[in-house]
Amino acid sequence: SAVISQKPSRDICQRGTSLTIQCQVDSQVTMMFWYRQQPGQSLTLIATANQGSEATYESGFVIDKFPISRPNLTFSTLTVSNMSPEDSSIYLCSAAEPGQGFNEQFFGPGTRLTVL
Amino acid sequence: GDSVTQMEGPVTLSEEAFLTINCTYTATGYPSLFWYVQYPGEGLQLLLKATKADDKGSNKGFEATYRKETTSFHLEKGSVQVSDSAVYFCALRYSSASKIIFGSGTRLSIRP
Repeated sequence: SAVISQKPSRDICQRGTSLTIQCQVDSQVTMMFWYRQQPGQSLTLIATANQGSEATYESGFVIDKFPISRPNLTFSTLTVSNMSPEDSSIYLCSAAEPGQGFNEQFFGPGTRLTVL
Repeated sequence: GDSVTQMEGPVTLSEEAFLTINCTYTATGYPSLFWYVQYPGEGLQLLLKATKADDKGSNKGFEATYRKETTSFHLEKGSVQVSDSAVYFCALRYSSASKIIFGSGTRLSIRP
């Protein structure tokens, strides 16, 4: 199984600023995902990040707002740009290996973001 | 599109009570089904899974059966404990390379 850590674990930010969230996996993984969990709601996929290619964004999410980097097979960052109070959420990173059979998708502990 | 619907919470039960959390899904294909659990202050963990119709997933006393005829994957436990207090998410996924579609989550609180 993969162990995933995220930094920071939580932050309080001012409107209009940006925050970069780091996600570190303890093993090499092909696919990494970024999810958002708004207060009292379910998890929604923001984008899929594969090493060596541009991130693929879900409907309603754009690169200018949520730029993602994936420089190697164990690390990814998500930036929340020009933040507003509506961006207050928990942001979760996850990782998986594609292939035959069942391959679990592992989740990090999340980054709790509050925008004032 | 594909979606997951689960019962609204919060659900509050006494210790040793029987638990059912309902989950139904809408899918265009044949996904795998999951229950994830999020304990207070912790990350999301896979609780159990079922990859095809009639499969039963089980873990930590929890069970769920993949019912294609009723498009359901209800979570059950015969005797809950205070330590089961958490938020439970029903979810589906088509492959390791695809995204997970989550239900809205059900908060479970168990009274001693």
